[in-house]
Amino acid sequence: DSGVTQTPKHLITATGQRVTLRCSPRSGDLSVYWYQQSLDQGLQFLIQYYNGEERAKGNILERFSAQQFPDLHSELNLSSLELGDSALYFCASSVGRGGPTDTQYFGPGTRLTVL
Amino acid sequence: AQSVTQLDSHVSVSEGTPVLLRCNYSSSYSPSLFWYVQHPNKGLQLLLKYTSAATLVKGINGFEAEFKKSETSFHLTKPSAHMSDAAEYFCVVSDRPTGFQKLVFGTGTRLLVSP
Repeated sequence: DSGVTQTPKHLITATGQRVTLRCSPRSGDLSVYWYQQSLDQGLQFLIQYYNGEERAKGNILERFSAQQFPDLHSELNLSSLELGDSALYFCASSVGRGGPTDTQYFGPGTRLTVL
Repeated sequence: AQSVTQLDSHVSVSEGTPVLLRCNYSSSYSPSLFWYVQHPNKGLQLLLKYTSAATLVKGINGFEAEFKKSETSFHLTKPSAHMSDAAEYFCVVSDRPTGFQKLVFGTGTRLLVSP
């Protein structure tokens, strides 16, 4: 158990809908990262927050947004959902800002199915 | 851009025999390299990481990897496979030497262990 928690474990929704995925980092970690794992794209970095502020952006669609709250938990919002958004979404956390000595610890993931 | 190539999509071994999972990286500097493991319906767990210290890195559960700059390789090995090692393994490279490091994941190698 990495200490990173994600809810819900599974989410089934319809196209066009909006969902929110939640992540709680390990105690003491200030950075939260979001990743998408799909069959065709593999594992891709979406976005990072450090102590409440956006620090880095990856291949995140404009329909997706995220935020990190004062208690350091993070939420990933996915809107106008399409079939292709079906994937496993991972959250990871680390102590620092994501530098060379920073290790990312992953949560168990949220499996999103868009019908 | 940095990248990793996992040379085998599937590796099959018998319990008690050695494991070799191959990974080649591409980087314009001395990178940080990681191996993560993903068991079915679980999150990603860090096995080991290389960050320019000793070239032979020991990880958890008896795994180790050797960084070979001349061959741009970071192969994962284990002397004796256990049934519980059956999982998907990801070789990962960081994308820059300083500042925020986006993790770039390989496509994964599925390890199958037969009795």
